[in-house]
Amino acid sequence: DQQVKQNSPSLSVQEGRISILNCDYTNSMFDYFLWYKKYPAEGPTFLISISSIKDKNEDGRFTVFLNKSAKHLSLHIVPSQPGDSAVYFCAASGIGYKLSFGAGTTVTVRA
Amino acid sequence: ETGVTQTPRHLVMGMTNKKSLKCEQHLGHNAMYWYKQSAKKPLELMFVYSLEERVENNSVPSRFSPECPNSSHLFLHLHTLQPEDSALYLCASSPGWAIGFLGELFFGEGSRLTVL
Repeated sequence: DQQVKQNSPSLSVQEGRISILNCDYTNSMFDYFLWYKKYPAEGPTFLISISSIKDKNEDGRFTVFLNKSAKHLSLHIVPSQPGDSAVYFCAASGIGYKLSFGAGTTVTVRA
Repeated sequence: ETGVTQTPRHLVMGMTNKKSLKCEQHLGHNAMYWYKQSAKKPLELMFVYSLEERVENNSVPSRFSPECPNSSHLFLHLHTLQPEDSALYLCASSPGWAIGFLGELFFGEGSRLTVL
């Protein structure tokens, strides 16, 4: 049973515009959320995280928003750059520290 | 030098072969993981080792056999695999493993496995 879902398998955005990636989860015990970025032929790399006690965390061009009541989080990338073209994975952690991952969203930034 | 190194990067094997994947972490972490990534699917946790002890086996078939001789090295021994086992196998490490979040996972570049 998939507890973390990324319902958009792909996203295409023009350079300089905002990219918005969405993630939904079902397990109310999740208390820490992460986004990972993956380039082809590389392993995922950590991008940004948020604790369940917050509703927003910002790091440069990347902002993650958490809506606990809706069990929804999103990643905003502003402005989008060509180097942001990658697969983005949403992940959630609960008791026992097992990260549950979504299937990923492939972002393509058009010049 | 990357923090987590996996070898080989690519592996092709027959269904009757025995092979092993190797992972080494240079981060001083205490926990190591094997994940499986199939196309268009979420990363699936296979095994977790904390201080060389297996603390999680996520219902993985016995044809996959992990080994953790020390906190820096992790192996995945492969035997009589099926074509559906073809996937990207990712090793990761973290500062620790316990109830509650102790830090993000650091991934290796993965071993792409093809079973013929």
